[in-house]
Amino acid sequence: GDSVTQMEGPVTLSEEAFLTINCTYTATGYPSLFWYVQYPGEGLQLLLKATKADDKGSNKGFEATYRKETTSFHLEKGSVQVSDSAVYFCALIPNTGNQFYFGTGTSLTVIP
Amino acid sequence: ETGVTQSPTHLIKTRGQQVTLRCSSQSGHNTVSWYQQALGQGPQFIFQYYREEENGRGNFPPRFSGLQFPNYSSELNVNALELDDSALYLCASSPPGTGSYNEQFFGPGTRLTVL
Repeated sequence: GDSVTQMEGPVTLSEEAFLTINCTYTATGYPSLFWYVQYPGEGLQLLLKATKADDKGSNKGFEATYRKETTSFHLEKGSVQVSDSAVYFCALIPNTGNQFYFGTGTSLTVIP
Repeated sequence: ETGVTQSPTHLIKTRGQQVTLRCSSQSGHNTVSWYQQALGQGPQFIFQYYREEENGRGNFPPRFSGLQFPNYSSELNVNALELDDSALYLCASSPPGTGSYNEQFFGPGTRLTVL
């Protein structure tokens, strides 16, 4: 079945460090891929998405590229800030379905 | 534009009781999905409502039920509460149109604690 596996945390980085959070997926066909962010006590916010192979989603300095050959959608940011501290979820929606499949989340803490 | 809102924010119930959670979709959105997020886990799909009909369901027992109203707001009802039902319940709404399932906007959630 469809599923998402993402890098376990927690991840702690110093401000301005480079961030990578790994995400791989299992799905039939061509799903759409997403990264959501959840700040403490809040719901999910869409960070970026990609709907077909080789698409790059980007927002607020974060990027992820849809890699069909490696079934991956790794999240990257060149220089993290304290305000980026949150839990990040990788997710997919199958091209023939209507529900999201989420990973278990990766907690990121950025220290000054 | 008002986003997705949910009520109540927090709720405490005891085992065996029933609970109703409410969601108001974002303006112009006609599809509502519900998710359960256990502590430290990713959200799990419960079901989706489109035009007042259930339009897909995840692996949840029948004691989880829902409704969608003509104004597209929605309710999630859980009967015979169990301790494992303690979680953050998230509602997400989607606009009409082809490929709109890609666009799900989440509310802040209702934190349910079952004692």
